[in-house]
Amino acid sequence: DGGITQSPKYLFRKEGQNVTLSCEQNLNHDAMYWYRQDPGQGLRLIYYSQIVNDFQKGDIAEGYSVSREKKESFPLTVTSAQKNPTAFYLCASREEGRYSPLHFGNGTRLTVT
Amino acid sequence: QKEVEQNSGPLSVPEGAIASLNCTYSDRGSQSFFWYRQYSGKSPELIMSIYSNGDKEDGRFTAQLNKASQYVSLLIRDSQPSDSATYLCAVNPLTGTASKLTFGTGTRLQVTL
Repeated sequence: DGGITQSPKYLFRKEGQNVTLSCEQNLNHDAMYWYRQDPGQGLRLIYYSQIVNDFQKGDIAEGYSVSREKKESFPLTVTSAQKNPTAFYLCASREEGRYSPLHFGNGTRLTVT
Repeated sequence: QKEVEQNSGPLSVPEGAIASLNCTYSDRGSQSFFWYRQYSGKSPELIMSIYSNGDKEDGRFTAQLNKASQYVSLLIRDSQPSDSATYLCAVNPLTGTASKLTFGTGTRLQVTL
């Protein structure tokens, strides 16, 4: 079945450590996205990529980094510079075009203590 | 003014009633609109998309779009307890890249027995 796989589902880290969240899709979508969700704040865009080897900052990119070496993969690194990293992280993809919806993975819940 | 606004709720409706969820947006040139359902602790799932003025029906769900008034709504007929979730409105604005959907903060729906 086609879909988006995020791993791990839960992740615990100590403050000051970098951590990488995995996102893989087999939908053959060109565009991939990372969102962060905090209670009561909806979805906020961190980074997105419309093509391999290219990506753009979203609204809250500070403290995060990404890479897009393969069409299927778009990993997100949460660095120690991110001040409030505890959140629910969602990876998504879509076909190009204004009328295409986003398809989401199951999310990774990151807790940093 | 937020780009996409929703009443956070909770909106409480009795089982079997019609639930009406509303969303307004600021970019008059927006061209595509999506409704996602999100259960607590889960990722959003697409339930409706609409692009033209008027109504679009899919089973118990009806999406309504009025571009002149810049609002989009979702009606859920014969509401069931399983419909209890947060409903996110997403808009593809005209300004900026076509790849960026903007989300509202969501309306929490509670269907009571």
